[in-house]
Amino acid sequence: GEDVEQSLFLSVREGDSSVINCTYTDSSSTYLYWYKQEPGAGLQLLTYIFSNMDMKQDQRLTVLLNKKDKHLSLRIADTQTGDSAIYFCAEKVSGTYKYIFGTGTRLKVLA
Amino acid sequence: NAGVTQTPKFRVLKTGQSMTLLCAQDMNHEYMYWYRQDPGMGLRLIHYSVGEGTTAKGEVPDGYNVSRLKKQNFLLGLESAAPSQTSVYFCASGEVGTEAFFGQGTRLTVV
Repeated sequence: GEDVEQSLFLSVREGDSSVINCTYTDSSSTYLYWYKQEPGAGLQLLTYIFSNMDMKQDQRLTVLLNKKDKHLSLRIADTQTGDSAIYFCAEKVSGTYKYIFGTGTRLKVLA
Repeated sequence: NAGVTQTPKFRVLKTGQSMTLLCAQDMNHEYMYWYRQDPGMGLRLIHYSVGEGTTAKGEVPDGYNVSRLKKQNFLLGLESAAPSQTSVYFCASGEVGTEAFFGQGTRLTVV
């Protein structure tokens, strides 16, 4: 079945690294995404990775993909208070038009 | 460039009332989606559309109807609102090979 799982909460201290994890079930997914949702707002795309990649780095963000274990992670280096938000991982289901979202991880950054 | 616009942003309904949520996108996307977001449950797909004049059921379609009479608009209707439909509703649009673009959300309370 289609299911994307994330832990619900993560708390880190300002300046530390944050690692948000996600597991997905559709091994044929072509794209995997990370979205950020700030309070009272919609979801904004943070970064994405193609399924034929193992890693993608974009400034403070590092995405790691382990296709064997169907595991996706997002690392935020030097986490700031402005990074406090809900982070969703999502997969694009191959052969369909559907995006499947995880439950979201609420990141709280402590000053 | 407005992207995806949802109206209204907030609404309070009494049980049994009806309403329509409007989603408009200006990116000429073929695919449009309606999700609901509830605490701890992430985003759940209500209905989606793969083109003008087409609609399909998602994960939680009961109690909702949709229409896509124009490519740029996707309407979500509640014929007889129930308290269980209290939620935040998000519209999104996309294309093959792109991420989903989200509106800012509609916060609906049914009393």
